[in-house]
Amino acid sequence: DGGITQSPKYLFRKEGQNVTLSCEQNLNHDAMYWYRQDPGQGLRLIYYSQIVNDFQKGDIAEGYSVSREKKESFPLTVTSAQKNPTAFYLCASSSSRDTYTGELFFGEGSRLTVL
Amino acid sequence: AQSVTQLDSHVSVSEGTPVLLRCNYSSSYSPSLFWYVQHPNKGLQLLLKYTSAATLVKGINGFEAEFKKSETSFHLTKPSAHMSDAAEYFCVVSEGRGADGLTFGKGTHLIIQP
Repeated sequence: DGGITQSPKYLFRKEGQNVTLSCEQNLNHDAMYWYRQDPGQGLRLIYYSQIVNDFQKGDIAEGYSVSREKKESFPLTVTSAQKNPTAFYLCASSSSRDTYTGELFFGEGSRLTVL
Repeated sequence: AQSVTQLDSHVSVSEGTPVLLRCNYSSSYSPSLFWYVQHPNKGLQLLLKYTSAATLVKGINGFEAEFKKSETSFHLTKPSAHMSDAAEYFCVVSEGRGADGLTFGKGTHLIIQP
């Protein structure tokens, strides 16, 4: 079945550590996205990529980094510079046709807790 | 600038009764509008979308929404709630300019009473 796989589902880290969240899709979608979700809030865009080897900052990119070396993969690194990293992180993708309408397919999310 | 307001943070209904989740939007353009559903600790799933075709949009699981330009609203309804409908619902507006053109509402938590 086609879809988006995020791993790990739960992750704990100590302050000062970098962590990388994995996102893989087999939908053959060109565009991929990372969102952050906090309780009682909507989703906020961290980074997005519309093509391999290119990505753009979203609204809250500070303290995060990404890469897009393959069409299927869009890993997110939460660096020690992110002041409040505890959150639920969602990866999404969209086809070229739907990129501008806004229809997204989401993974099941990764919950990061900083101890 | 566009915005979206979900008028209720929590809605509680009894099983078998109608559901109404309210969403108002603001946009300088002709927007696309979406409703997504999120079950606990899961990703978001598209329920339905409006993209300038018919104003009454039918989605999955018996949900529908009506685009009312004069009221700048896109309320989500279902005639009869089921226990499995308990989830978080997000209204999303898109001005059709790509990934940074989406605005998510803060969500409405739907509670279904047995």
